[in-house]
Amino acid sequence: QVTLKESGPVLVKPTETLTLTCTVSGFSLNNARMGVSWIRQPPGKALEWLAHMYSNDEKSYSRSLKSRLSISKDTSKSQVVLTMTNMDPVDTATYYCARTHVLIGGNGFDIWGQGTIVTVSS
Amino acid sequence: SYELSQPPSVSVSPGQTAIITCSGDKLGDKYAYWYQQKPGQSPVLIIYQDAKRPSGIPERFSGSNSGNTATLTISGTQAMDEADYYCQAWDSSTAYVFGTGTIVTVL
Repeated sequence: QVTLKESGPVLVKPTETLTLTCTVSGFSLNNARMGVSWIRQPPGKALEWLAHMYSNDEKSYSRSLKSRLSISKDTSKSQVVLTMTNMDPVDTATYYCARTHVLIGGNGFDIWGQGTIVTVSS
Repeated sequence: SYELSQPPSVSVSPGQTAIITCSGDKLGDKYAYWYQQKPGQSPVLIIYQDAKRPSGIPERFSGSNSGNTATLTISGTQAMDEADYYCQAWDSSTAYVFGTGTIVTVL
C-alpha cells in the first residue's frame, strides 16, 4: 500500500524557518517512474504547488516562492524534506505532499498525504 | 506565469449533469488533471491525462480537453459529489499549476 505522511511543527513564529518531512511507504524515492511534490492550501483557498523532487535528484520550485524554498530527499529514510524560510502569517496553510507517477502521465498527483496544518503566529 | 481559471461555483440538482470548466492558454496542448476535495479531506485524483479515470472512480465522472478549455462532467450527479474540484496542468515555464477551484453544490 502506497502512503505519504507529512510531519512537522504545528506552530511557527514569523521570520522562523519551517521544516516539513514527508515520509513515504510502498515505493522508493529512487524509482524513476515517480516523484514527490509539496503543495499547500491556505484556509478556504485554492491549492498551491510549492516544490517537486525528482527521482534523479533534480528539483523544481514555484517561481514566486523559489527564494524561500529548499527541497531534499533521504532515500534511506524514504523522506522528502521541505524547508521554507522567513515564515509569515500568510503562509498559514495545510501542507500536503503528493506523488507523481508516469502511469498517469507524470504531471499529476495520484496519491496524497493527509496534510499537516501549519500556523504562523507570534 | 501560467494560470488556470475555474468558475467559483456550480450548482446542480441531483441526477442532473454538472459541467466544470478550466481555462488556460493552449491548455489543450497539455494534459489536464482533476481532483475532488471534500471538507477536511485531502484531494483525490478523479481524472488524469484529460479523460482517464483512476481505478475506483465512478463512470459518471468524465473529462475532455481542447483548445483553451478542459471540462469535467459529472453525469447523474449525486449528493456525495458535493465537493471542491480543482483542475491542474504542467507547464514548462511554471511547472505544476492548479486551477482556482470550483465549489459544486448539489441542491
